[in-house]
Amino acid sequence: AQRVTQPEKLLSVFKGAPVELKCNYSYSGSPELFWYVQYSRQRLQLLLRHISRESIKGFTADLNKGETSFHLKKPFAQEEDSAMYYCALSYYNQGGKLIFGQGTELSVKP
Amino acid sequence: DAMVIQNPRYQVTQFGKPVTLSCSQTLNHNVMYWYQQKSSQAPKLLFHYYDKDFNNEADTPDNFQSRRPNTSFCFLDIRSPGLGDAAMYLCATSDPLAGIYNEQFFGPGTRLTVL
Repeated sequence: AQRVTQPEKLLSVFKGAPVELKCNYSYSGSPELFWYVQYSRQRLQLLLRHISRESIKGFTADLNKGETSFHLKKPFAQEEDSAMYYCALSYYNQGGKLIFGQGTELSVKP
Repeated sequence: DAMVIQNPRYQVTQFGKPVTLSCSQTLNHNVMYWYQQKSSQAPKLLFHYYDKDFNNEADTPDNFQSRRPNTSFCFLDIRSPGLGDAAMYLCATSDPLAGIYNEQFFGPGTRLTVL
């Protein structure tokens, strides 16, 4: 079965420290991977998608098919990065449905 | 601003009393989704509409129904809410014409409490 795993429920770092939010998936085909973010009192929104290969707000994520991972990274965390981060998987023959991981709460301390 | 709107933001109902949650969108997207998110858990897809074509997830209880009278509106009906149905309900939309793997746009959610 398709599954997305985010092993950390909470990740706490200091401002300026590097951040890596882990995401592993299980799917035998070629999925599309996303990171969605939810800031306090805001709606869930797309942060980035692997197919775009872009950096958004300093975050990047590389799809590693060998390790079935899609970790989210940022070299220098900022306080405004504090939020809930969800890794999600979509696959072609399911009409773009998303399967979400459990989420990781990132807390960036001053 | 084009967006996804959910009403009400907070809904309290009694055990067994039918309740309807609503979602509207100004994005003119073909696809609308309903997710259930319980505390500290991942959003879980209940069903989605591609235009008027309804697609139910295999593990969605029969207690949950949906209606989409037009492109802009979609409703989630819970026929007989149980205590276990207390959750945040998220509506989302997407435009498949934007690509196979397309972004979903989420509403703010409706938090349902069952007494």
